[in-house]
Amino acid sequence: DQQVKQNSPSLSVQEGRISILNCDYTNSMFDYFLWYKKYPAEGPTFLISISSIKDKNEDGRFTVFLNKSAKHLSLHIVPSQPGDSAVYFCAVSIQGAQKLVFGQGTRLTINP
Amino acid sequence: DTGVSQDPRHKITKRGQNVTFRCDPISEHNRLYWYRQTLGQGPEFLTYFQNEAQLEKSRLLSDRFSAERPKGSFSTLEIQRTEQGDSAMYLCASSLRAGGRAEAFFGQGTRLTVV
Repeated sequence: DQQVKQNSPSLSVQEGRISILNCDYTNSMFDYFLWYKKYPAEGPTFLISISSIKDKNEDGRFTVFLNKSAKHLSLHIVPSQPGDSAVYFCAVSIQGAQKLVFGQGTRLTINP
Repeated sequence: DTGVSQDPRHKITKRGQNVTFRCDPISEHNRLYWYRQTLGQGPEFLTYFQNEAQLEKSRLLSDRFSAERPKGSFSTLEIQRTEQGDSAMYLCASSLRAGGRAEAFFGQGTRLTVV
């Protein structure tokens, strides 16, 4: 059973526009949410996180939104840049547990 | 560079052979994780250490897999009698809990191909 789903395997966005990546989860006990970015032949790199007590967290061009009632997480990148082209994974965890549960990833391509 | 380091980066082995991977975490990090990633999927949790103690193991970690972190520093992951289904990217991550949650920092991974 897939507890974390990223339903869009790929997304293509024009440079300068907004990129929106989505993630759905099934377990209401998840209380910490993260986004990682992965380039080919490299490990995932932490981008931004949000706790369940918040509904928004911003860091520069990156904003994560959390809708607990819908069990939905999104990452907004604005403006999108060519260097943002990568695979993006959402990940979740439960208080008291150390492991992260990852989605399948969305490949983002930023077109010049 | 003081990031998470994994060795080797690539390993090709014949089915039935044993392989061992090494991970050197960020030096002050007391938590170390192993994940496995197959094509088109996100990383899947395998096991977790706090200092030298292995505190959690996934059901994915069959008895052919063993991980150690002998002095709470580097860690090794050994796969015995490798099978073709073991072909994957093996990722190591580390974190330091300081109050609240701490994000895990990943190494570049070891890509295993079993032929």
